[in-house]
Amino acid sequence: GAGVSQSPSNKVTEKGKDVELRCDPISGHTALYWYRQRLGQGLEFLIYFQGNSAPDKSGLPSDRFSAERTGESVSTLTIQRTQQEDSAVYLCASSLPGGGYTFGSGTRLTVV
Amino acid sequence: GENVEQHPSTLSVQEGDSAVIKCTYSDSASNYFPWYKQELGKGPQLIIDIRSNVGEKKDQRIAVTLNKTAKHFSLHITETQPEDSAVYFCAARHPTTNYMRFGAGTRLTVKP
Repeated sequence: GAGVSQSPSNKVTEKGKDVELRCDPISGHTALYWYRQRLGQGLEFLIYFQGNSAPDKSGLPSDRFSAERTGESVSTLTIQRTQQEDSAVYLCASSLPGGGYTFGSGTRLTVV
Repeated sequence: GENVEQHPSTLSVQEGDSAVIKCTYSDSASNYFPWYKQELGKGPQLIIDIRSNVGEKKDQRIAVTLNKTAKHFSLHITETQPEDSAVYFCAARHPTTNYMRFGAGTRLTVKP
């Protein structure tokens, strides 16, 4: 597509529930990244996918977080047993190898 | 790993004045330094970038300078306008790291 698309744009969930966030990257972008942005703070790296290589999961904060990507298409970030500290904006970005990122508009997750 | 620090955290200027935001990085092997602008409720947008083989790059009212010896790079915005008001993030990428590390952000306010 023309840009990086993320859905939903907003998600309110109860503590303890699982949530799934979706990212549709720019067609042809082989690299896909997930970042977390807490209110008023910077971008925290979560996970990186490059083509069919094994993902770099070094930024995932706990085993409640996981992500998948099929080939060079859509990615989903899953948070199990959500906690209030998971409340944040989750940003997805895609790029060509070594190139700058194009970010989506993010999913604002609120855990109540 | 790479660590990026950004200053100041907030910056207020009068319309027409210049604004300068500075970032330092820790790993001298880092070779790509982009700047992103994030408006309220949106994802960050790439506004300018520089690679380590270049000392300065300009694009109309914005410029980025890189000092590899001191390991710092700066964003310069001249003739600021109210629409420049946003949060600006710097980032750095190490050639062996799959992802970029971001600074904590600078909230720029341009007063009319």
